[in-house]
Amino acid sequence: SQQGEEDPQALSIQEGENATMNCSYKTSINNLQWYRQNSGRGLVHLILIRSNEREKHSGRLRVTLDTSKKSSSLLITASRAADTASYFCVFGTSGSRLTFGEGTQLTVNP
Amino acid sequence: EAGVVQSPRYKIIEKKQPVAFWCNPISGHNTLYWYRQNLGQGPELLIRYENEEAVDDSQLPKDRFSAERLKGVDSTLKIQPAELGDSAVYLCASSSEQGTDTQYFGPGTRLTVL
Repeated sequence: SQQGEEDPQALSIQEGENATMNCSYKTSINNLQWYRQNSGRGLVHLILIRSNEREKHSGRLRVTLDTSKKSSSLLITASRAADTASYFCVFGTSGSRLTFGEGTQLTVNP
Repeated sequence: EAGVVQSPRYKIIEKKQPVAFWCNPISGHNTLYWYRQNLGQGPELLIRYENEEAVDDSQLPKDRFSAERLKGVDSTLKIQPAELGDSAVYLCASSSEQGTDTQYFGPGTRLTVL
């Protein structure tokens, strides 16, 4: 198995700004998921995008997937202090194991 | 709908002692996962169950770790004997479809080995 590589490792922004996190992978995938982890709510699934989709929205979240470049990005618009967390991209392949990387630590300053 | 339940939330033990963690997945979820998460890192899969069968335990250190999922519902993860390096958060997750779909995580058990 292999893990996604998130970039950047850490990101600090002001409340109201947009935050963009990127993820790259190396093999063919069935889907790609983004999870968020903070001390208050634990590890929570945010959004899943399938390999035949290019973009998906959920509230203030926008995920893109470029299978030709084997990369994905997560955009959080109008960030809030409550968005402070670690964000992980996780991809699924046939064989069913999800592998987490080290994540991007996002800090949103009030 | 109740989420994934884990207990205890915190555990402090001395090295060489045994310890056990319990997980109750979301009702109806056939797939159950145990992960270990070290500080500053992402979760690492230890074992995955499909119903009562362990279908992926390649990352489980079998010399000291064991797990069971009797009746395909609740699961227990045991460490015996614990070592200092086992200090971590142990997360349980469940999903309704095999492997690649959404996983729902419990709050975790924070283990400290002294």
